[in-house]
Amino acid sequence: QQQVKQSPQSLIVQKGGISIINCAYENTAFDYFPWYQQFPGKGPALLIAIRPDVSEKKEGRFTISFNKSAKQFSLHIMDSQPGDSATYFCAASLSGYNKLIFGAGTRLAVHP
Amino acid sequence: GAGVSQTPSNKVTEKGKYVELRCDPISGHTALYWYRQSLGQGPEFLIYFQGTGAADDSGLPNDRFFAVRPEGSVSTLKIQRTERGDSAVYLCASSPRGGSLAGANVLTFGAGSRLTVL
Repeated sequence: QQQVKQSPQSLIVQKGGISIINCAYENTAFDYFPWYQQFPGKGPALLIAIRPDVSEKKEGRFTISFNKSAKQFSLHIMDSQPGDSATYFCAASLSGYNKLIFGAGTRLAVHP
Repeated sequence: GAGVSQTPSNKVTEKGKYVELRCDPISGHTALYWYRQSLGQGPEFLIYFQGTGAADDSGLPNDRFFAVRPEGSVSTLKIQRTERGDSAVYLCASSPRGGSLAGANVLTFGAGSRLTVL
């Protein structure tokens, strides 16, 4: 019930391409879905987040698409840059609870 | 401070030893969290403090793990009788508030303390 499944484990994209990372969750009570970006030796940093009352949220080159009926959400990185090379984690939680459940992560490499 | 500060950044210890890991949250943040990140995995929740009290310690793996936040700011994660399986990066995060209030879920993480148990 608490699991968040993330795919793919790793992803290689050419500069300028679109990076797509997918997550699926089981607990229908989850109502907050953030994406975190982590560089080597650093802690995860919040990138973008969405709540289930909207189907899409865009911030610059980063877009979250949310499908409530399928219990899936995805991160799209448009015009991917080498500086986007990092590990990306999806997560989910319940309002009123502060326990973020993280996916296993996707290691993204953007080649110039 | 400007960010969440964790010390030490690296700790190597022997099996059976006692370890303390410290976290300095962002000034004014009332909520503080500890997570554990094993190699190649996502962060795993350990414990959440609201102020001085542990509001949720359901993620602590066993009674060898304990955390305190006596004055509602700095927190210490304590691990007794360390085992090789405790090797991981221990992440601390803070947020302006906890509970269901807006912004409660916006966690700022520190760089972590890498613990290696030989």
